[in-house]
This record gives sequence, structure tokens and C-alpha cells, in this order.
Amino acid sequence: DAKTTQPPSMDCAEGRAANLPCNHSTISGNEYVYWYRQIHSQGPQYIIHGLKNNETNEMASLIITEDRKSSTLILPHATLRDTAVYYCIVRVKNRDDKIIFGKGTRLHILP
Amino acid sequence: DADVTQTPRNRITKTGKRIMLECSQTKGHDRMYWYRQDPGLGLRLIYYSFDVKDINKGEISDGYSVSRQAQAKFSLSLESAIPNQTALYFCATSDFGQTKSYNEQFFGPGTRLTVL
Repeated sequence: DAKTTQPPSMDCAEGRAANLPCNHSTISGNEYVYWYRQIHSQGPQYIIHGLKNNETNEMASLIITEDRKSSTLILPHATLRDTAVYYCIVRVKNRDDKIIFGKGTRLHILP
Repeated sequence: DADVTQTPRNRITKTGKRIMLECSQTKGHDRMYWYRQDPGLGLRLIYYSFDVKDINKGEISDGYSVSRQAQAKFSLSLESAIPNQTALYFCATSDFGQTKSYNEQFFGPGTRLTVL
């Protein structure tokens, strides 16, 4: 699986959009971009995934660049409960299903 | 996620003791995983199982063993615990099928293990 690069930490004001970047310059054509988050010491929670088109669900939006070398997770109206570590992962869907987690981005939502 | 449960939630043990961590799921998923997390680090995969007869090593399997007793149960054992196995342990499941969410992993609440 390709590796990802994320900033170690970010701050965002409550009520504003939180934009979390991820670089995955070595991503292969059949690899998807997945995002998970982990709220303090809880089990990680799936957020969203995509291949090349932008995706949106009730939690977030995922914007993938046209060359697929980077992506941005957008939390449209951040709340204090969104304070967590966010993991960007690239992996082949429909294969061995392992997730290799990196260190992620620690997002602090400021009141 | 209440569909994936782990027991115990907290455990303190001594060096050299045998410890078993248990994971149960009611999601009907075939695939189950064990991860560990150390402070300030991401999760690392220990073992995974794609069905009852399948066991695979992950990144850091040394010092651990697993048992997949049934589709719904996946146990992690530390045969002789050592202090550097002190960590937070997570079990996860996934559905390899045609559902919209397949390949998404669902995590349990974690077991905090301390080895003295």
C-alpha cells in the first residue's frame, strides 16, 4: 500500500470548516483513499473513502485532486466533538483488507 | 461500536503471566483483526483472520498468538507478557461482500493492558 503524509497537528475554530490535507504521491490506480478518526482512546471510526471522484456523506466531504496525489477531508462545521486524530490511508479495496495506520493529524477544535 | 465488544476493558498483569484478550462481534462479518496502539503512535496490526480457518500475521506478531474459535470470536493471547507489551489493544471487523460499506473496519472499544 502507498504511504501517506499528514501534518502532525492542526487547529480549527468551532463552527468553521476544518480542512485536513493528505499527500499520497505514490498512490496506485487501484488504491482508494480512506479516512478514519480516533477520539481520545476510543476505537477508530470510519469517516469516508473515495477513488477519484469527490465524495460526501453525513460526516464529511472528501476532495481528491485530479492527479490523485493528494486529498482533503473537509468537516464543514466543526464542533468540539470533532477533536480527534484523523488518519488518511490508501489501500486497495477488495484485496487483503489490512489497514496500516500512520500517525495521523491531531485536530484541535477551539471554542 | 456496541456490535464489537472486547473483554476485559482494563487489565493489569505481571511479567511472565499468560493473558488472553477476547473479542466478540454481532455484525456477522467474516474478517477480524487485532491492533495495538502505543502512546503517540498510530495503530499497528498484530494478526488478522479472514474466516474461521484463516490466520495471518500482521506487522508485529512476535510475542502474540491468536485463536479464531468461531466467526464471531477472535482471541489474542500473550503467552508470557512483558512490559513493552503495555498498550491499548483494539479488535476490528470488516465485511468482504457486496454491501456499500464493505472494506470499512469497525472497531471495538479497546482493552488497556498494563504489564508490570
